Amino acid sequence: EPEVTQTPSHQVTQMGQEVILRCVPISNHLYFYWYRQILGQKVEFLVSFYNNEISEKSEIFDDQFSVERPDGSNFTLKIRSTKLEDSAMYFCASNQVTYEQYFGPGTRLTVT
Amino acid sequence: RKEVEQDPGPFNVPEGATVAFNCTYSNSASQSFFWYRQDCRKEPKLLMSVYSSGNEDGRFTAQLNRASQYISLLIRDSKLSDSATYLCVYNTNAGKSTFGDGTTLTVKP
Repeated sequence: EPEVTQTPSHQVTQMGQEVILRCVPISNHLYFYWYRQILGQKVEFLVSFYNNEISEKSEIFDDQFSVERPDGSNFTLKIRSTKLEDSAMYFCASNQVTYEQYFGPGTRLTVT
Repeated sequence: RKEVEQDPGPFNVPEGATVAFNCTYSNSASQSFFWYRQDCRKEPKLLMSVYSSGNEDGRFTAQLNRASQYISLLIRDSKLSDSATYLCVYNTNAGKSTFGDGTTLTVKP
């Protein structure tokens, strides 16, 4: 069964550093998403991406965040200058034209 | 008011019990509804979609009442493996998923 993959599984970085989280969505999916989940809290929407552009973003997704689909398979989330409060699990998701989203296993980001 | 409100839980039930989770949503533009389950430190996994006509998948039954903006999940004959956090989710036309806080279920032998 096809699945969404994410790398790395765990990323530790120092405050102020840039990080890039990588995702490979399911191959025939057209819509891509990033969510985050701070430990003990709910899953929060960050951004959705379709047809090579952002279709919606939340208040969390400020100028420090960017997304890119650099080739036909990868979908990346970049945080330019990490803060302590960026520490969270980051989930990538994808779907086709139906609304059921399939989530990757997540990247745990720890900012020290 | 939260966009999605779920039973706060936690629910602790014995094996074989029937348990029901409730959820209300505030966005009347919500288009699609789902129940996901999330195990500790894992990704949300789709459990089932929720339709106005109600739908059943084995021991799981989901109901949607659009007029009341209410969704439910019923689990019959609980198994130890059902222990998880259950997430009520809706999507709008844009596809963005909005999650509830989740309700934790622990099934005990």
